Amino acid sequence: KQEVTQIPAALSVPEGENLVLNCSFTDSAIYNLQWFRQDPGKGLTSLLLIQSSQREQTSGRLNASLDKSSGRSTLYIAASQPGDSATYLCAVRLFGGSQGGSEKLVFGKGTKLTVNP
Amino acid sequence: GAVVSQHPSRVICKSGTSVKIECRSLDFQATTMFWYRQFPKQSLMLMATSNEGSKATYEQGVEKDKFLINHASLTLSTLTVTSAHPEDSSFYICSAETSGGANTQYFGPGTRLTVL
Repeated sequence: KQEVTQIPAALSVPEGENLVLNCSFTDSAIYNLQWFRQDPGKGLTSLLLIQSSQREQTSGRLNASLDKSSGRSTLYIAASQPGDSATYLCAVRLFGGSQGGSEKLVFGKGTKLTVNP
Repeated sequence: GAVVSQHPSRVICKSGTSVKIECRSLDFQATTMFWYRQFPKQSLMLMATSNEGSKATYEQGVEKDKFLINHASLTLSTLTVTSAHPEDSSFYICSAETSGGANTQYFGPGTRLTVL
């Protein structure tokens, strides 16, 4: 059974600091890995998606890496800003079923990030 | 970009009543929609996968007679919580997957259900 763990559960940093969020998963047989942002009481915003064949993806100040063999991913946020404060969720997508249909996402519990001005 | 809406965003109901939550894909057709539940400080847990025109597939431990899912069209899925109890209070989020195997889920804004 696939399990996704995110460390730390919470993180508080001063504005401007670079930071790394960690995600690990127990089964390396994944289709892709995705990082999301969730603001309090809101839905999910997709930040970065890394296919299983890729090593990293970048978008602006965000960089996500994937080491499938070791079951790890990191989300690097450069020059953090107060507006980055949110919960960051990591999710792995399992392969589809025998008919090639969709398979589910398995989520971690998230890292709650607070960036202090 | 692909937009998914949910209605209502917040609902409070009495114990024993039924509540219906709608999930709509606004600018694309979704052959598959997913329903998740999120308890405070917990991860999103998949409840069921809904395919248009067919019965939903429920995850282990989710009561299909309690959480009724209907996916009648390519843009609408509904989740009905029947005979709601306080322990059903949670944040319910849907997502929709574009047809054609794009394998990207677009998430709705969520519905906060409080059962008194």
